[in-house]
Amino acid sequence: QQQVKQSPQSLIVQKGGISIINCAYENTAFDYFPWYQQFPGKGPALLIAIRPDVSEKKEGRFTISFNKSAKQFSLHIMDSQPGDSATYFCAAGKGNQFYFGTGTSLTVIP
Amino acid sequence: KAGVTQTPRYLIKTRGQQVTLSCSPISGHRSVSWYQQTPGQGLQFLFEYFSETQRNKGNFPGRFSGRQFSNSRSEMNVSTLELGDSALYLCASSLDAASRGSPLHFGNGTRLTVT
Repeated sequence: QQQVKQSPQSLIVQKGGISIINCAYENTAFDYFPWYQQFPGKGPALLIAIRPDVSEKKEGRFTISFNKSAKQFSLHIMDSQPGDSATYFCAAGKGNQFYFGTGTSLTVIP
Repeated sequence: KAGVTQTPRYLIKTRGQQVTLSCSPISGHRSVSWYQQTPGQGLQFLFEYFSETQRNKGNFPGRFSGRQFSNSRSEMNVSTLELGDSALYLCASSLDAASRGSPLHFGNGTRLTVT
């Protein structure tokens, strides 16, 4: 059973636009929900993370929205830039054991 | 501060052989986790070591094993390699559990190809 479902698989956005990636999780015991950004040839890098007692967290152009009752969370990238073009992964878990979504390939067109 | 270092970057092995991958965590980090990344299955948790003890284990066969040394460096071993073991193996270190506020820092991985 897939613990974390992520959509869309790919996303093309114009420079300056808003990129939105959605994730849903199964296990209500999960207590940490990070988002990672990965460039080709590199390991994932933490972007932003949220705990289930908070409904929204913002860091610069990146915002996580969290809906505990629906078991869903999403990443919003405001004012998307070509340098944001990468693969984004959501994850959910407890401790250091995380289940990752399948990734969203984001392309920001200049 | 140096990041997480994984060696080697690339490996080519033959079916049936065994392989050892190495990970040096960020200085001061006591937790090391290993993940397998493939195009089909994505990122999957293998196991986590904390202070030389395995703290968590994912759903992988016993051919996958690991250990952690007193300096927090970790090794992962895969025995009797299968074609399906071809993947990017990622190591991540943290001070403690990510959900307790210690984020995971990933290395750039070891690309293993099994022929």
